[in-house]
Amino acid sequence: DAGITQSPRHKVTETGTPVTLRCHQTENHRYMYWYRQDPGHGLRLIHYSYGVKDTDKGEVSDGYSVSRSKTEDFLLTLESATSSQTSVYFCAVNHGSGPKQFFGPGTRLTVL
Amino acid sequence: KNEVEQSPQNLTAQEGEFITINCSYSVGISALHWLQQHPGGGIVSLFMLSSGKKKHGRLIATINIQEKHSSLHITASHPRDSAVYICAVSPSSFGNEKLTFGTGTRLTIIP
Repeated sequence: DAGITQSPRHKVTETGTPVTLRCHQTENHRYMYWYRQDPGHGLRLIHYSYGVKDTDKGEVSDGYSVSRSKTEDFLLTLESATSSQTSVYFCAVNHGSGPKQFFGPGTRLTVL
Repeated sequence: KNEVEQSPQNLTAQEGEFITINCSYSVGISALHWLQQHPGGGIVSLFMLSSGKKKHGRLIATINIQEKHSSLHITASHPRDSAVYICAVSPSSFGNEKLTFGTGTRLTIIP
């Protein structure tokens, strides 16, 4: 599992509240990614990081921000959650010497 | 049109049947990935290939670069193979290796 954990694993929140999801890795991977998975869509990239304090937007970044202050943690923040952000969120990592990614267990987020 | 298309979207088969899942892509790639997602939700990488064929146990993955097409085969299918199988591609350019994913094929194997 490449030493990847996500927290929380499940969260129910209300529209308009801030939410932060955490991805933690223990194997010093350089690249980290946040995806969302929704029915009828493939995994879609929200944001990714290529090093500490180095992040960039993916294809569905609106309404999300990220931070990476240390190698092992990549945080995804929904500043003001909306019902359209109800989804399953996956973190993934890549050590940078090839394209293979390793996925965390996922976080199921419900915004009421 | 999605850059990565999978077929079929859903597949139900009897235990023991030979299974084929297809993936077509429209962009240049450096590698193609097959991933498995079990009902519990975890995603694991099955194969990464850039040419030819790879085999692991009862699973075989093939790719035809000229036709931009890959297949995942399962021989002697078993109920534990029931999962969503996802195709993904890596772009031709080197760098952060962002993947583009298909929407997945849901496979159900009936005992």
